[in-house]
Amino acid sequence: NAGVMQNPRHLVRRRGQEARLRCSPMKGHSHVYWYRQLPEEGLKFMVYLQKENIIDESGMPKERFSAEFPKEGPSILRIQQVVRGDSAAYFCASSPPISGRATRNIQYFGAGTRLSVL
Amino acid sequence: KNEVEQSPQNLTAQEGEFITINCSYSVGISALHWLQQHPGGGIVSLFMLSSGKKKHGRLIATINIQEKHSSLHITASHPRDSAVYICAVRDEKLTFGTGTRLTIIP
Repeated sequence: NAGVMQNPRHLVRRRGQEARLRCSPMKGHSHVYWYRQLPEEGLKFMVYLQKENIIDESGMPKERFSAEFPKEGPSILRIQQVVRGDSAAYFCASSPPISGRATRNIQYFGAGTRLSVL
Repeated sequence: KNEVEQSPQNLTAQEGEFITINCSYSVGISALHWLQQHPGGGIVSLFMLSSGKKKHGRLIATINIQEKHSSLHITASHPRDSAVYICAVRDEKLTFGTGTRLTIIP
């Protein structure tokens, strides 16, 4: 049973380009979370998705950032017109479905994507 | 908004020592996670607990809901335990502490 897969592991973009980060949850998991870790800072929640639904995006910057988790395929975190301040490690985590909110499920983390904006 | 504080921020110890890392939070939660971030950056979930105590190998995690406090203990520490240990509390979402950087010297 493969773990949470994120790709690419490292992504380099120039200012103004788009960054697309992919996350394939563990098999059977239908809840996906994205977190950002800025240099020398702790992890911060960005967005929580279930298949085809955004449940909580309160941690997402209002502009340039979007996330989706389609019925088929990986979850995508998309950053348009990247700026140097977007340079960070972006982690995805997944958890299995339970009845009601998945507030008690352990989350399994991917290895992260390190985005560098030149 | 939950405030999560970890102590110490940095900890250096000799191989074999008993290690304790503490986590305090300000608002009632449904669960608390302990995570380990390796020097390469990957994150591993160690524990999720909502009451009492859990043990996995040389790792022990405890939580006191009334005092809003959790501890992570490592017995017989080893250099491979060197990592950043992160406490995260769950109310509506995960809120993370800033981590404790542990270095075990052979």
